[in-house]
Amino acid sequence: GQSLEQPSEVTAVEGAIVQINCTYQTSGFYGLSWYQQHDGGAPTFLSYNALDGLEETGRFSSFLSRSDSYGYLLLQELQMKDSASYFCAVRGNLNFSSGSARQLTFGSGTQLTVLP
Amino acid sequence: DSGVTQTPKHLITATGQRVTLRCSPRSGDLSVYWYQQSLDQGLQFLIQYYNGEERAKGNILERFSAQQFPDLHSELNLSSLELGDSALYFCASSGPGLARQETQYFGPGTRLLVL
Repeated sequence: GQSLEQPSEVTAVEGAIVQINCTYQTSGFYGLSWYQQHDGGAPTFLSYNALDGLEETGRFSSFLSRSDSYGYLLLQELQMKDSASYFCAVRGNLNFSSGSARQLTFGSGTQLTVLP
Repeated sequence: DSGVTQTPKHLITATGQRVTLRCSPRSGDLSVYWYQQSLDQGLQFLIQYYNGEERAKGNILERFSAQQFPDLHSELNLSSLELGDSALYFCASSGPGLARQETQYFGPGTRLLVL
């Protein structure tokens, strides 16, 4: 099967740094993605890691360790507008009743609240 | 704005009814995905189409079906609706190749309420 674990809630203050962890179990791992979703809005792609290491995109960075089946999203210089849900997603081989498919599985999401 | 459009934005209907949700992918994207998001839940993959053909199927109920048309827009049909089908339905697109499935662009979603 395929499963992802991430904290359900994280709270931080404006200007701080926060790290959202994600551990996963999957078969046929192809990569770890992160998406942001504001309340009632569409998920927005943030980053993708296929190889070990850190990827930086502005205030956001994402890290992957394939040997540890672990990754994290690092948000720096937090702003109020960063308050949202953050989902990690793994692309791997999923088993459905209809057969196997290489698809994204999303975690349950981490609700980040940024306080003034 | 992701470039993916979905209609309608909201839909209220009764149990037993049938509805059709519509999605237009970003220009140039060949893959379309459908997801269901229930309250406080993650995104559940339903089905993927690539260039008009069904590519992969998730645990999509038999009451649900989809198709992708020659102009690449897609429709998700939900029939014999039940209260539990109330959810946000998202369409996403990626592409143009199959290799970039990790980067998906989501539409604004259709909020379905079954009464």
